[in-house]
Amino acid sequence: SQQGEEDPQALSIQEGENATMNCSYKTSINNLQWYRQNSGRGLVHLILIRSNEREKHSGRLRVTLDTSKKSSSLLITASRAADTASYFCATDAGTALIFGKGTTLSVSS
Amino acid sequence: EAQVTQNPRYLITVTGKKLTVTCSQNMNHEYMSWYRQDPGLGLRQIYYSMNVEVTDKGDVPEGYKVSRKEKRNFPLILESPSPNQTSLYFCASSSWENNEQFFGPGTRLTVL
Repeated sequence: SQQGEEDPQALSIQEGENATMNCSYKTSINNLQWYRQNSGRGLVHLILIRSNEREKHSGRLRVTLDTSKKSSSLLITASRAADTASYFCATDAGTALIFGKGTTLSVSS
Repeated sequence: EAQVTQNPRYLITVTGKKLTVTCSQNMNHEYMSWYRQDPGLGLRQIYYSMNVEVTDKGDVPEGYKVSRKEKRNFPLILESPSPNQTSLYFCASSSWENNEQFFGPGTRLTVL
């Protein structure tokens, strides 16, 4: 049961530019989380935003949540080559996290 | 160091030969889960466990078994592996206070 769907599927930018990824979901959630995955490796938790929050920051990351539109966005500011990875949103509606298919971000120097 | 470990990291096997992938966490987390990741399909949950002796099916449980006899361990068992179970498998754990999942490094399984 795929819940979150990221957009775009792939994104290529230059170092220093901002990267924005979007996530849409279908049902009510307790929270929404973003994860990063470097090629073939385990996922790393980036940020969690609860359903009663609208915006959250962590370093160069900014996440917004619009529960009325059932959507979230992840903004990475001043991208670096090391940000090259796949990014997944995951929705928590109770007993399980449901992951989207991810956005592949490529940052070139 | 807080971590989730999986073994083996890589495994090539043949159809029908039973195998177990181990998962262990040292963070005293209640919740543990297994996912498989396939190109174009993202991460799909196989099984999860909310605590010792409590397990439940995820989205794609067919062909898999799990057990949770101790809090720290959550092995994934393939009784009779088939080629369609060739995939990258991840174990993850989290606490109830904070549902941020910690992932293991992954096990790449090939079934011939």
